[in-house]
Amino acid sequence: DTEVTQTPKHLVMGMTNKKSLKCEQHMGHRAMYWYKQKAKKPPELMFVYSYEKLSINESVPSRFSPECPNSSLLNLHLHALQPEDSALYLCASSPLTGMNTEAFFGQGTRLTVV
Amino acid sequence: AQRVTQPEKLLSVFKGAPVELKCNYSYSGSPELFWYVQYSRQRLQLLLRHISRESIKGFTADLNKGETSFHLKKPFAQEEDSAMYYCALLSGGYNKLIFGAGTRLAVHP
Repeated sequence: DTEVTQTPKHLVMGMTNKKSLKCEQHMGHRAMYWYKQKAKKPPELMFVYSYEKLSINESVPSRFSPECPNSSLLNLHLHALQPEDSALYLCASSPLTGMNTEAFFGQGTRLTVV
Repeated sequence: AQRVTQPEKLLSVFKGAPVELKCNYSYSGSPELFWYVQYSRQRLQLLLRHISRESIKGFTADLNKGETSFHLKKPFAQEEDSAMYYCALLSGGYNKLIFGAGTRLAVHP
């Protein structure tokens, strides 16, 4: 299984809602990432988890709260988002040991904040 | 500063024509570079990495440290090559990727 699976594929939420994005991989990768991709722009890193610990937070607003419950799962909890947070949210995973540094990406969750 | 520059937003060619997508980087140290591709309605996926020096789908890319470039080339473009191409630089100890702005390749029949 060389896939990263993200759910849901699409999400529409109001500015007062609380929702969560989920990501799962079974490749044994010990690094997992959240990227944000606005239309016609490259992915921008938000968070990195390594060995289930938050290793990098790229100054992301606290209305985005990541969680890594175990080595296969990564969540992104959303609360009080703004319309400008509407974007494609990509999850990725990568090995942390060995020569292979390839990142595998999920299909993304397309988020619309209304 | 670590940076990846892709100067062309759009590259439009006819089928069978040669293609070169440009990528320049800024990195202190020994860089590890990749080309990722995003076909319409598909996930972002790895096309090439410089350390493996392989050819995938007819594409090649050579790291030129003197010119700090990692251009992607294909001698004869196919319509199915139409996609968004991102050059990316591995940064730091957590395999963090820094992406260029991307180049959309459009191959016309």
